[in-house]
Amino acid sequence: NAGVTQTPKFRVLKTGQSMTLLCAQDMNHEYMYWYRQDPGMGLRLIHYSVGEGTTAKGEVPDGYNVSRLKKQNFLLGLESAAPSQTSVYFCASSRTPGLAGTGGYEQYFGPGTRLTVT
Amino acid sequence: AQSVTQLDSQVPVFEEAPVELRCNYSSSVSVYLFWYVQYPNQGLQLLLKYLSGSTLVKGINGFEAEFNKSQTSFHLRKPSVHISDTAEYFCAVNDLYGNKLVFGAGTILRVKS
Repeated sequence: NAGVTQTPKFRVLKTGQSMTLLCAQDMNHEYMYWYRQDPGMGLRLIHYSVGEGTTAKGEVPDGYNVSRLKKQNFLLGLESAAPSQTSVYFCASSRTPGLAGTGGYEQYFGPGTRLTVT
Repeated sequence: AQSVTQLDSQVPVFEEAPVELRCNYSSSVSVYLFWYVQYPNQGLQLLLKYLSGSTLVKGINGFEAEFNKSQTSFHLRKPSVHISDTAEYFCAVNDLYGNKLVFGAGTILRVKS
């Protein structure tokens, strides 16, 4: 099991450029999440998905879009990158929270993508 | 909305000393609580969780945490730390609908020899 994988690991963009971050999980999890991590601010939820074909906004969704066309993949897009989007991005997945016998609400995280926008 | 407060941004401690990392959460309704650890340049790894039952929860690497409902706290403890415990630690609580986690700002534990 690879768990949760993210590509790329590093990326440098110029202001106004676009890019897509890919997250893949092989645990058959229904729920997937995208976070950004900035110093002193913990992890903030950007978007999440409760199943294939669904997406929902998190705490800081502006400037980002997502898609969940396949259950195992969750894509995060930046249409026009800004320096304020310089951050480390983490993807996570979980079983359906609250479902009997699923073991709880814990999320499993990928290794992260370090994005710099100049 | 739920919120999580980690009271210390950095905790320096000498090797083999005990340590406590403090976490308080806002909600008084049923909660599920988590501690995650992040080693340098890595993703987050689950350390332990409280869902129900015994208020003292044991996790990996010798860590434990105690759920205190009256004080809305979930402090993380280890009786004797190692250099390898140097990392950032995050406390998290489920949101009121249960399908998202709210994270604290993190506490950097620095273990010195």
